[in-house]
Amino acid sequence: DAGITQSPRHKVTETGTPVTLRCHQTENHRYMYWYRQDPGHGLRLIHYSYGVKDTDKGEVSDGYSVSRSKTEDFLLTLESATSSQTSVYFCAIKGTGTGELFFGEGSRLTVL
Amino acid sequence: DAKTTQPTSMDCAEGRAANLPCNHSTISGNEYVYWYRQIHSQGPQYIIHGLKNNETNEMASLIITEDRKSSTLILPHATLRDTAVYYCIVRRANSPGGRSNSGYALNFGKGTSLLVTP
Repeated sequence: DAGITQSPRHKVTETGTPVTLRCHQTENHRYMYWYRQDPGHGLRLIHYSYGVKDTDKGEVSDGYSVSRSKTEDFLLTLESATSSQTSVYFCAIKGTGTGELFFGEGSRLTVL
Repeated sequence: DAKTTQPTSMDCAEGRAANLPCNHSTISGNEYVYWYRQIHSQGPQYIIHGLKNNETNEMASLIITEDRKSSTLILPHATLRDTAVYYCIVRRANSPGGRSNSGYALNFGKGTSLLVTP
């Protein structure tokens, strides 16, 4: 258990509303990631963080922003949600070994 | 990171060994082979990884060919709970710097859908 908690686990919202997903870790890992998973596309990297206030874009970052003001929390924000952002979002942390990532249980977001 | 090729789907009888192949013919000398699986609706789960030698842990064994161009994940006694999508991923373990190469992020392909049947 890598001590990762995602919240909320399920959310339904309307187009145009802001949404923030939270990833919380308890083990002080430096690297954290946000992925989304959609049928036919698999898991795709949205943003990642390599330390407090240090973040970078992944493959599908348009429409998303992130923040990491403290080690344990990595927030993913959809400023104005669209139906194309309906997806399952997974947070991950990099363990202290040789590159293994450990994932949270996912947050299912539906944008109507 | 090197590209990997896996079969789309496989079946295995419960109690038998499940052997999942992966081709990575363009792998570089400093790239590791990682295996993950994803059980329906759950987050991906790390299984095992290796560089050149065969590896074994409580979940599985990883056999890497001598030329490192392919590998096989072995689940020695498959159970119904092993039904999942299995991903083979190749990448360097230690990227130079924090920001380069997506900070150790892994690129998941489509994987192999393993069905374990009674």
